[in-house]
Amino acid sequence: GESVGLHLPTLSVQEGDNSIINCAYSNSASDYFIWYKQESGKGPQFIIDIRSNMDKRQGQRVTVLLNKTVKHLSLQIAATQPGDSAVYFCAEFLVGDYKLSFGAGTTVTVRA
Amino acid sequence: DAMVIQNPRYQVTQFGKPVTLSCSQTLNHNVMYWYQQKSSQAPKLLFHYYDKDFNNEADTPDNFQSRRPNTSFCFLDIRSPGLGDAAMYLCATTKGARQPQHFGDGTRLSIL
Repeated sequence: GESVGLHLPTLSVQEGDNSIINCAYSNSASDYFIWYKQESGKGPQFIIDIRSNMDKRQGQRVTVLLNKTVKHLSLQIAATQPGDSAVYFCAEFLVGDYKLSFGAGTTVTVRA
Repeated sequence: DAMVIQNPRYQVTQFGKPVTLSCSQTLNHNVMYWYQQKSSQAPKLLFHYYDKDFNNEADTPDNFQSRRPNTSFCFLDIRSPGLGDAAMYLCATTKGARQPQHFGDGTRLSIL
């Protein structure tokens, strides 16, 4: 079964607000995590990654937080825009593996 | 510029008629993957190649085969498509372990 999952299948956000998307993982051997964004009719697009020796990483308008104690990953999107509407997947790599394990996905809808 | 290119974007085939989907990459990555994605679900790994070494997932049906004639190209062959094989098929590449996977925009397969 999947070892990575998202807490909520859908998230509705007002344009301009911050979004927080959560993900729980169960495998403590995972050491690398990625967030992907998938728009309708397209493939998953890399947003940001984080390795297990870090607890926070920032990109442009996005921040990923990793809490290894409770095996929790989150993606924060600042000042959410209509173009942020998509399905967001967290994914993990096991140590030394070439395979990603995807969570179930959260559909983010931005309200104007 | 697209780095992982999948052709065609849409493919329609008849029940039981063999079909081949193609993927090419300009990244010179060692690892190539094929995923199946059904509506509202996470991508499901079918198999992957590390260079010419083929790695099949345990639950991938025998109906699905793959070929990788060179670094740049990888093909997915579905020998006798059934209605349950209608899905989006995604190709991805990566340089190696603990590196982001880069996805193409997929081929949407319909079965008549």
